[in-house]
Amino acid sequence: DAKTTQPNSMESNEEEPVHLPCNHSTISGTDYIHWYRQLPSQGPEYVIHGLTSNVNNRMASLAIAEDRKSSTLILHRATLRDAAVYYCILRDSSGGSNYKLTFGKGTLLTVNP
Amino acid sequence: EAGVAQSPRYKIIEKRQSVAFWCNPISGHATLYWYQQILGQGPKLLIQFQNNGVVDDSQLPKDRFSAERLKGVDSTLKIQPAKLEDSAVYLCASSSRLLGTEAFFGQGTRLTVV
Repeated sequence: DAKTTQPNSMESNEEEPVHLPCNHSTISGTDYIHWYRQLPSQGPEYVIHGLTSNVNNRMASLAIAEDRKSSTLILHRATLRDAAVYYCILRDSSGGSNYKLTFGKGTLLTVNP
Repeated sequence: EAGVAQSPRYKIIEKRQSVAFWCNPISGHATLYWYQQILGQGPKLLIQFQNNGVVDDSQLPKDRFSAERLKGVDSTLKIQPAKLEDSAVYLCASSSRLLGTEAFFGQGTRLTVV
């Protein structure tokens, strides 16, 4: 499985933007970049995903580097409810790995009031 | 749309006992995953089903863990006999087969083995 590298932890202040980086230098052409987050005592929840172009949804934005070797999850205005572990995951869309979803250690985001 | 349902939410057993977890995925989702999450770590995939067939169980400790998905819908994960190191949250997730679609997770079952 293609691997991702994320910082262990990050801090942010409430109502400020947060940029969560992810490196995936061995990404293949068929890998989608997925982001999930896990709030305390909850199962992971989907945040956003993309293939090549930047993506926006109601929760966040995903900026993908031109060479696709890195990406950044952007929370435009962090709230206390955004404090969670954020996982960057590569998901093979070719079907060869049967759409496997493999989690790493993620980034623990702390939001200060 | 109803989410992924798991039961029980919590379970405490003694080592060497057996335990079973149940998962009801979102209706129509062909792919079902079972994950084990030990405190402080990311979820680890134990087994993945496509309809009622196993497509990946490479990290399932088959000497003590078993899972089945009858009729391609509900699934059960069993541990027999349990060890202290099996204490973890067991998460079930489901997704459709469409390319790049998201997976939906249940709230998990927290297992404590004493």
